[in-house]
Amino acid sequence: DIQMTQSPSSLSASVGDRVTITCRASQTITNYLNWYQQKPGKAPKVLIYASSSLQSGVPSRFSGGGSGTDFTLTISSLQPEDFATYYCQQSYSTPRTFGQGTKLEIK
Amino acid sequence: EVQLVQSGAEVKKPGESLKISCKGSGYSFSTYWIGWVRQMPGKGLEWLGIIYPVDSDIRYNPSFQGQVTISADKSISTAYLQWSSLKASDTAVYYCARQNFWNNYYYYFDYWGQGTLVTVSS
Repeated sequence: DIQMTQSPSSLSASVGDRVTITCRASQTITNYLNWYQQKPGKAPKVLIYASSSLQSGVPSRFSGGGSGTDFTLTISSLQPEDFATYYCQQSYSTPRTFGQGTKLEIK
Repeated sequence: EVQLVQSGAEVKKPGESLKISCKGSGYSFSTYWIGWVRQMPGKGLEWLGIIYPVDSDIRYNPSFQGQVTISADKSISTAYLQWSSLKASDTAVYYCARQNFWNNYYYYFDYWGQGTLVTVSS
């Protein structure tokens, strides 16, 4: 199985900040990488697929990048509704494993 | 509007069996893979497996194969996740999700059910 490791595990930031979350795969996954946002008590929501493609309806302040084994999710200017937990997921092979999550909290 | 509606919360005893459901609507259910994801209390997301309703082709996470069974009935646009003998460690929220694809090879879950809380306790 491909292991996905996110860093940091938690992050405190303020409204308006630019934040970047990193995801590393245990082997190359080219650009088969998705990002999800999950708020407490809710189902996850896809933000980015294929490393950098923005899902329809997702604000443009979210962006993704990377290829091979190292990937990033960047939020250019944090909004109050962005405080949530973020997960990466590889779709290169089954099982399509998730990272352990990054909890983004208000500073 | 695409919707996945899951069955309600369950409270079971260890050793009991259970089957939870996920009904799709608003799209051609048979032509998209449906996946199941586990989230234990306070923990992250775990990919259990996916099923293609057209022919019930299934891909299990080896870590969960033999522990759960995934199935689907395309005639009623419903996917299922079942256990033959529950354990306390099966306590979790279980989500179903539709697997969409882009450019034929890039797969991602674009619509999710609301989740089913399964509590296993003596």
